[in-house]
Amino acid sequence: QSVLTQPPSASGTPGQRVTISCSGSSSNIGSNTVNWYQQLPGTAPKLLIYSNNQRPSGVPDRFSGSKSGTSASLAISGLQSEDEADYYCAAWDDSLNVRYVFGTGTKVTVL
Amino acid sequence: QVQLVESGGGVVQPGGSLRLSCAASGFTFSSYGMHWVRQAPGKGLEWVAFIRYDGSNKYYADSVKGRFTISRDNSKNTLYLQMNSLRAEDTAVYYCAKVQRPYQLLYAFDIWGQGTMVTVSS
Repeated sequence: QSVLTQPPSASGTPGQRVTISCSGSSSNIGSNTVNWYQQLPGTAPKLLIYSNNQRPSGVPDRFSGSKSGTSASLAISGLQSEDEADYYCAAWDDSLNVRYVFGTGTKVTVL
Repeated sequence: QVQLVESGGGVVQPGGSLRLSCAASGFTFSSYGMHWVRQAPGKGLEWVAFIRYDGSNKYYADSVKGRFTISRDNSKNTLYLQMNSLRAEDTAVYYCAKVQRPYQLLYAFDIWGQGTMVTVSS
């Protein structure tokens, strides 16, 4: 049902850089900003990146976001063990009905 | 501090009803749009519904349209989700979430509650 496609998994060793892609369409990513949420195991999601590339207060600068056309990406530099979590991209979609859509989610594993 | 606390979850039979509540504190509730988001066991996030800060506009996911109703009582700083004609596929943790900017729609969700579990089963 998700209209934003992410890879199911990504992994890296501590200190490495990991990138997660998010593919959408002209009605969502192509015309609205992208947000990213982090969900640690057993907890509620947390806002990680908003408006494509902005970090809320308290989010380390090793997390960065970008957007180009109908795709977006999240990069984690200097991967740390506490970054092991599920990551979701999201955007408003204004096709037939106004709705908010989440990506399929990516599980990041720190090896 | 800014906080959202959901309640009202539980076990309900298929076809039954349930009303969820989300108590807000630490911010001017009446100035912010609010959302409900759900997550089925072991699955990803699914947006459910949105209500404008003043209750004047509401949007729903196709999967719940006609069955669920989002509402709010700004005098009680509380958001609600009335769920009718429940199905097994509605089984999920339900989160309420606050829009990042006052009076706005197209912004991220910056504060989330801890979630309340709804199980639809006979």
